[in-house]
Amino acid sequence: SQTIHQWPATLVQPVGSPLSLECTVEGTSNPNLYWYRQAAGRGLQLLFYSVGIGQISSEVPQNLSASRPQDRQFILSSKKLLLSDSGFYLCAWSVAGFPGETQYFGPGTRLLVL
Amino acid sequence: GESVGLHLPTLSVQEGDNSIINCAYSNSASDYFIWYKQESGKGPQFIIDIRSNMDKRQGQRVTVLLNKTVKHLSLQIAATQPGDSAVYFCAENPNSGYSTLTFGKGTMLLVSP
Repeated sequence: SQTIHQWPATLVQPVGSPLSLECTVEGTSNPNLYWYRQAAGRGLQLLFYSVGIGQISSEVPQNLSASRPQDRQFILSSKKLLLSDSGFYLCAWSVAGFPGETQYFGPGTRLLVL
Repeated sequence: GESVGLHLPTLSVQEGDNSIINCAYSNSASDYFIWYKQESGKGPQFIIDIRSNMDKRQGQRVTVLLNKTVKHLSLQIAATQPGDSAVYFCAENPNSGYSTLTFGKGTMLLVSP
């Protein structure tokens, strides 16, 4: 069966510090991978998605970037965090192919920027 | 742009009642729909899905109904339990090239014992 991992689970960072959130998927090959942000009490905002190694689509221009160095690894980064980057970050995967199929979510990372 | 929305932001029910959560979508080309459940502090969890060639699909205690004529999707939960308390999202596949899922804002379901 497939599993998706995210770490860390919780992170408190000062404004201006760098960020690296990691997501890995097990039990599947060449998945589509996604990064979302969810503000408190709000819906899901798609940040990035990837259909293959080195292929990143950015949905929202912002202070963040994403990379996919390996088939089942997806990293969300920032060089300098802003207060507005606080939120709940979710990674998800779907089967290879068109990215409109079922997405399966990880446990999320709670980020607080102070 | 086209989007998925929900009628009710919060639904409060008594344990044992049946719950109905509604979702309206605006893209008539959408061909696949999913319901997710998100408990506090956790990632969304897949509940049930339905393709546009179906009107109804049943799972364990859950039923999804799709009315393409009025572009409406609903999730019915039978014999609601306190463990069903969560935010429920609907999502649609706009069926447009490499488009990803579009998510609604969510409905909070509160179940009282």
